[in-house]
Amino acid sequence: AQRVTQPEKLLSVFKGAPVELKCNYSYSGSPELFWYVQYSRQRLQLLLRHISRESIKGFTADLNKGETSFHLKKPFAQEEDSAMYYCALAGTSGSRLTFGEGTQLTVNP
Amino acid sequence: DAGVIQSPRHEVTEMGQEVTLRCKPISGHDYLFWYRQTMMRGLELLIYFNNNVPIDDSGMPEDRFSAKMPNASFSTLKIQPSEPRDSAVYFCASSPPGRTFGQAFFGQGTRLTVV
Repeated sequence: AQRVTQPEKLLSVFKGAPVELKCNYSYSGSPELFWYVQYSRQRLQLLLRHISRESIKGFTADLNKGETSFHLKKPFAQEEDSAMYYCALAGTSGSRLTFGEGTQLTVNP
Repeated sequence: DAGVIQSPRHEVTEMGQEVTLRCKPISGHDYLFWYRQTMMRGLELLIYFNNNVPIDDSGMPEDRFSAKMPNASFSTLKIQPSEPRDSAVYFCASSPPGRTFGQAFFGQGTRLTVV
């Protein structure tokens, strides 16, 4: 079974502060991890994938297999980063994409 | 391509009525997913199809829910009879073929309210 846990439903930071959205997963095989973002009144969209090792909009996420984590980080949060963020896992045996419960990030001015 | 298209965008119905949600995936995508989003549970996978065939419907809450994909360009999610606890935003998503499991493209969602 595959499971994704985002322990924080709500996260509030001030503009310019560092932000970290936590994600832990459970999967017996070799997973693919993703972060999706949903801005207000917009559709859910892919933010980044661990296999790409990319930085999107200043966000990065490193897969830590030892801790089974894939936390999303940004050194300096911006107001436009305010959104709902979902961590997701895709297993190797099929296309089932499992999402965490989501974290609502609010960046205050 | 206009992306994944869902209709209607909003639906308000009375308890006990039948509700049908519609989805048009992106052309060329062979995976289609139906998700439900609520404040309490976040995003839940209800069912997904590959090449129009249902692969995993273990997330469908109960027999009141059914989904079909009669062809590669259309899918429906039906709730009969609807109940207030079905109120949620329902998302359809599609993925291209190949090992791009996580690259799901989402529709705008249908906000369902059952009163």
